[in-house]
Amino acid sequence: NAGVTQTPKFQVLKTGQSMTLQCAQDMNHNSMYWYRQDPGMGLRLIYYSASEGTTDKGEVPNGYNVSRLNKREFSLRLESAAPSQTSVYFCASSEPTGEGPYGYTFGSGTRLTVV
Amino acid sequence: TQLLEQSPQFLSIQEGENLTVYCNSSSVFSSLQWYRQEPGEGPVLLVTVVTGGEVKKLKRLTFQFGDARKDSSLHITAAQPGDTGLYLCASRPGGSYIPTFGRGTSLIVHP
Repeated sequence: NAGVTQTPKFQVLKTGQSMTLQCAQDMNHNSMYWYRQDPGMGLRLIYYSASEGTTDKGEVPNGYNVSRLNKREFSLRLESAAPSQTSVYFCASSEPTGEGPYGYTFGSGTRLTVV
Repeated sequence: TQLLEQSPQFLSIQEGENLTVYCNSSSVFSSLQWYRQEPGEGPVLLVTVVTGGEVKKLKRLTFQFGDARKDSSLHITAAQPGDTGLYLCASRPGGSYIPTFGRGTSLIVHP
């Protein structure tokens, strides 16, 4: 099925470990995003990529890095995980204005726990 | 920063009841989207409204966009357990391609 695929779905890390969250879309969208979702805080933008070859910081970028590998793939890296990064992470893609027929298309999320 | 305020934060109702949830901002929306997020999944687009006063219907869901384009509502008629989820509104601050999401209304419909 067309959409956004995230891996892994679940992950437990120890404080200080690193990991990369993978995201791939087959919607042929130019723009891709990484969000974190915490109880009571809603969706907060970590980084986004308006088009292949560009990335920009969002609202909460500290502790994260991203790579727009090609038009389809946008990865999020935690270099040294901290308990404050325990969250559910969502990748999304869209047409530039987000007003295409699917709006912002989200993956099913990665549930990350840092202990 | 355009803030989207959603109310109520939580709603627990019985099957068959009607409900309305709201999304408000102090700024004018360029357009507004409603999403539903089911447990364990990402948000899925329900509707996009772009014109002040616009009303859109999606089966038992009715979406209204305020005349001044600063508020929107989602009304569900005869709620069903399948309507359970988190309802999010989203918009783009003027001139930006980046969406802002409200914190959502968490709806539980009991059979």
